[in-house]
Formats: sequence, structure tokens, C-alpha cells
Amino acid sequence: GAVVSQHPSRVICKSGTSVKIECRSLDFQATTMFWYRQFPKQSLMLMATSNEGSKATYEQGVEKDKFLINHASLTLSTLTVTSAHPEDSSFYICSAPGQPTTNEKLFFGSGTQLSVL
Amino acid sequence: SQQGEEDPQALSIQEGENATMNCSYKTSINNLQWYRQNSGRGLVHLILIRSNEREKHSGRLRVTLDTSKKSSSLLITASRAADTASYFCASNYGGSQGNLIFGKGTKLSVKP
Repeated sequence: GAVVSQHPSRVICKSGTSVKIECRSLDFQATTMFWYRQFPKQSLMLMATSNEGSKATYEQGVEKDKFLINHASLTLSTLTVTSAHPEDSSFYICSAPGQPTTNEKLFFGSGTQLSVL
Repeated sequence: SQQGEEDPQALSIQEGENATMNCSYKTSINNLQWYRQNSGRGLVHLILIRSNEREKHSGRLRVTLDTSKKSSSLLITASRAADTASYFCASNYGGSQGNLIFGKGTKLSVKP
């Protein structure tokens, strides 16, 4: 099956710094990737849709200047949390659809636990 | 609004028993999917059932869909300790690809 690699798995940073999270599709091309945020014991909330070659689409309430998304190639999307603050601490997960033409299942990265001190 | 409300929120059973989790959604869907998440990890797709299907099997998994009640259930038979995880339903209502609405999940604990 398709593999999505997410890096780093865990990051601890000081308040005010920026953190970049990478999401790669290893054996398939992904023109679209999705970024989610998950608080402890809660569900996944879609933050934005990353589109190769164009601007990301952000969900309502998500600050685009805070969460910068770049879909640099057909296999790489990055999420940069700029000027991170403790309230940004969360589990971030990316995913990519396995089949580009239908609304089928998603393949997920292993997630990144961000802790902002 | 958030769709896919699961119940129970937490379920604890003994190995060998069956585990049933339920999910409700609010609007018409194209398909409904179930995912599994081990603690601190990403999600793994388990099974997908389309809106015109009523039941689907995959190994020890059985999923049902009742579109009249806007509900689905996931049954894991003969549970194992390795089944311990959180299980999420995700409703796909069309629109942009992959725009799934995830439920709050059921945390399943299978005791050996």
C-alpha cells in the first residue's frame, strides 16, 4: 500500500520559534495532501488542503499566516508553524489520498507531536 | 458542524470477546470509513463502506451502514490485545477529495 512519511515525529521548541513539518508520499504522487490537528483524546480537525503548484486551502478559523503550507513537489508538502506559542502545542498529522480520481481512503503520516515551551 | 459521533467513547473488553462501536453522521454521504489509531501515531484505514452498501466484511471486521438512521457500526470479532487502539469513523460527503469528517473516536482496550 501507499506510504506517507512524516518528519519529525516529535519536536520541542521555545516560544517564538518556527517549526517545519514535512510530509512525503514515498511510492506515489500526491497532488493533494491534507493537514490535521489533533488535541489529546479528541478527533482530527482538518486544518488545510495542500495543493501542488497552487495555494493551500485553509479551513475556517485557521490562520494562514500562522500555519504556512508549501506543496513543493508531487511528493512533498510542508507545514511551518510560525512564531509558535504554547497553545500551538498539539499533534499534527498529514495525509494523502491514494486514488486521485475518487473519494477513497486516505494514507496518513505517523504524526508530529509539537510541544512549545 | 462535526459529524461522526461515536459511541461508546471508551470500551474495555477481554481478549476473545467481540467489540462493537457505533457511529452517527448528520448529512448524506458518499461513503463512510473506519480508521484505527494507535496512541501517538497516525491513522490506518480499516474499511470503507459505500452509501449503497449495507454490510461489508474484512477479516475480523464487520461494518454495517444504515443510511435511514445515518449510522454505522464496526464489529471486531474475537478481539486480541493488539486490537487495543482508538477507532474513528469518517464520513465522506463528496466535495473535495479526502475531505473526511472524523468522529470523536472510541478508545478500545482489550485485556489479555
